[in-house]
Amino acid sequence: NAGVTQTPKFQVLKTGQSMTLQCAQDMNHNSMYWYRQDPGMGLRLIYYSASEGTTDKGEVPNGYNVSRLNKREFSLRLESAAPSQTSVYFCASSKLVSDTQYFGPGTRLTVL
Amino acid sequence: GIQVEQSPPDLILQEGANSTLRCNFSDSVNNLQWFHQNPWGQLINLFYIPSGTKQNGRLSATTVATERYSLLYISSSQTTDSGVYFCAVEPSTGTASKLTFGTGTRLQVTL
Repeated sequence: NAGVTQTPKFQVLKTGQSMTLQCAQDMNHNSMYWYRQDPGMGLRLIYYSASEGTTDKGEVPNGYNVSRLNKREFSLRLESAAPSQTSVYFCASSKLVSDTQYFGPGTRLTVL
Repeated sequence: GIQVEQSPPDLILQEGANSTLRCNFSDSVNNLQWFHQNPWGQLINLFYIPSGTKQNGRLSATTVATERYSLLYISSSQTTDSGVYFCAVEPSTGTASKLTFGTGTRLQVTL
């Protein structure tokens, strides 16, 4: 039982490049989330998926897209990376909305 | 949107000491969670506590929803307690599942 897994762990991009961050959970959770964490700050919600087949914007969605591929997987895509997107990205899941959230190990992304 | 303030921002303790971390929030909430982020960056859920009191080993938490605050107690602190403690809330009037995080309390436990 791996919980929430994220790939890659580290990534360096040049401005304008695109990439997809992958997240998977094996806890049979319905809801999944993407957050970003910037130095000295708490986490901010980018997008979430309350259940399979639905996605919705969080606090800071600009510059990102998401796909809920199936119940297990929720990906985050940066179409044209910008230096302002340098951050640590966390994926999380919960059994239902408003339930306890469980986090993956994070992806550290640097955009040059 | 809802405001979440945590205090103190930084705390240094000697091993064995007790501490209280506070989380104030500006609106009524459905959901309040405490997390510990260890020095390697991993976020661990400590408590789901929209109201009342819960205990887990040396840690306990109390949320007084009517007065809009929550407290996290750490007793007999150990070096493994070091890291950042976050409070996160979901407002009652907002969209379900949208947690707003505070900026955290950074705890350092020394020998």
